[in-house]
Amino acid sequence: DTAVSQTPKYLVTQMGNDKSIKCEQNLGHDTMYWYKQDSKKFLKIMFSYNNKELIINETVPNRFSPKSPDKAHLNLHINSLELGDSAVYFCASSQGWAGDSPLHFGNGTRLTVT
Amino acid sequence: AQSVTQLDSQVPVFEEAPVELRCNYSSSVSVYLFWYVQYPNQGLQLLLKYLSGSTLVKGINGFEAEFNKSQTSFHLRKPSVHISDTAEYFCAVSVNNQGGKLIFGQGTELSVKP
Repeated sequence: DTAVSQTPKYLVTQMGNDKSIKCEQNLGHDTMYWYKQDSKKFLKIMFSYNNKELIINETVPNRFSPKSPDKAHLNLHINSLELGDSAVYFCASSQGWAGDSPLHFGNGTRLTVT
Repeated sequence: AQSVTQLDSQVPVFEEAPVELRCNYSSSVSVYLFWYVQYPNQGLQLLLKYLSGSTLVKGINGFEAEFNKSQTSFHLRKPSVHISDTAEYFCAVSVNNQGGKLIFGQGTELSVKP
């Protein structure tokens, strides 16, 4: 059973479109995250949620809107896609948000905006 | 603010040779330290972590790392590498009660040659 699963794995779309990425974790963790990995493989946090509440919003454009319907799910909706949004997006989860709990990552969603 | 620097972007080694991947961090407060590995087209997996206590920590797949507070370093080592260790390695730090946010280094690509 996959612990953190994201769909879709690949997403190719045109500029200006709106798209969503879904994430689910079956680890019973309280905290979920979205990270962005750019073309140089640099990873940066976008958001984190603890028990459905937003706790980190790392100066991400408001075209990106996370939604957590329950603590096992954290979806990412992106409006008006731009070329610069092309990247790999990783969902992750951890038990707690104190910083000492390792993150468990999904396999990523490769978004290509043309 | 915290930052992480991985001193080598690429490390080529021959199979069965020892390897060290270097990581330095900057922080005015105590940090937790992590090494993650990313195999091609996959998410990140935890190799090892330092939270407190013994400065030498052992992880999966024969890797270990040593926390050096005076040098603000957390170098990763393996005495004998295998072809299967070829991957991207990320050093990361987090700080207590900052929402579980991980700050990553730029990554080191380890390439093991036969």
